[in-house]
Amino acid sequence: EAAVTQSPRNKVTVTGGNVTLSCRQTNSHNYMYWYRQDTGHGLRLIHYSYGAGNLQIGDVPDGYKATRTTQEDFFLLLELASPSQTSLYFCASSDARRGQVFFGKGTRLTVV
Amino acid sequence: QEKVQQSPESLIVPEGAMSSLNCTFSNSASQSIWWYQQHPGKGPEALISIFSNGNKKEGRLTVYLNRASLHVSLHIRDSQPSDSAVYLCAVRGTGSNRLTFGKGTKFSLIP
Repeated sequence: EAAVTQSPRNKVTVTGGNVTLSCRQTNSHNYMYWYRQDTGHGLRLIHYSYGAGNLQIGDVPDGYKATRTTQEDFFLLLELASPSQTSLYFCASSDARRGQVFFGKGTRLTVV
Repeated sequence: QEKVQQSPESLIVPEGAMSSLNCTFSNSASQSIWWYQQHPGKGPEALISIFSNGNKKEGRLTVYLNRASLHVSLHIRDSQPSDSAVYLCAVRGTGSNRLTFGKGTKFSLIP
């Protein structure tokens, strides 16, 4: 069973603060993704990567940085957090051949 | 950018009923279409996918794809309480491994 682990599961930070969300996958997948999920908008892609050192821009990248340090680890960075970034964040992974995307359990981020 | 729209926004059915969820997408050349199920407090999980025109059946689920009309539907037979969840339609774009999601259909059984 494919495994994607996110940490922390919940995070509260202040406006202007720095936040790093972590994701590790043990599926040997090439692709990793960061999505945010909001009521009325559904799941929206922030950034994704197809290997260590690679970064691709998604549909809602503003205010976010990401870094893929190894095949297993993908990080999402909010350097000046704003209340509009309060959301449920999902990390996911997939391989190039099958296309099925496996999701983590999510990180609920609140910016006050 | 691929666009994916789902209908209805919510659906309430009696236990044992047949249910239909709809999804339209913007690019007929999209590689594949996926349906995901998401229970409260959990991440989405893949249920079924389809690439070619026609239908595909897995257990109580059947998916129909018509690329000409840019439409895909998911049919759930003999609805069970465990089926209560949000169902997400997702499209894999041409030459891409990224999925674009619709906003989802909230599916519930009449208590």
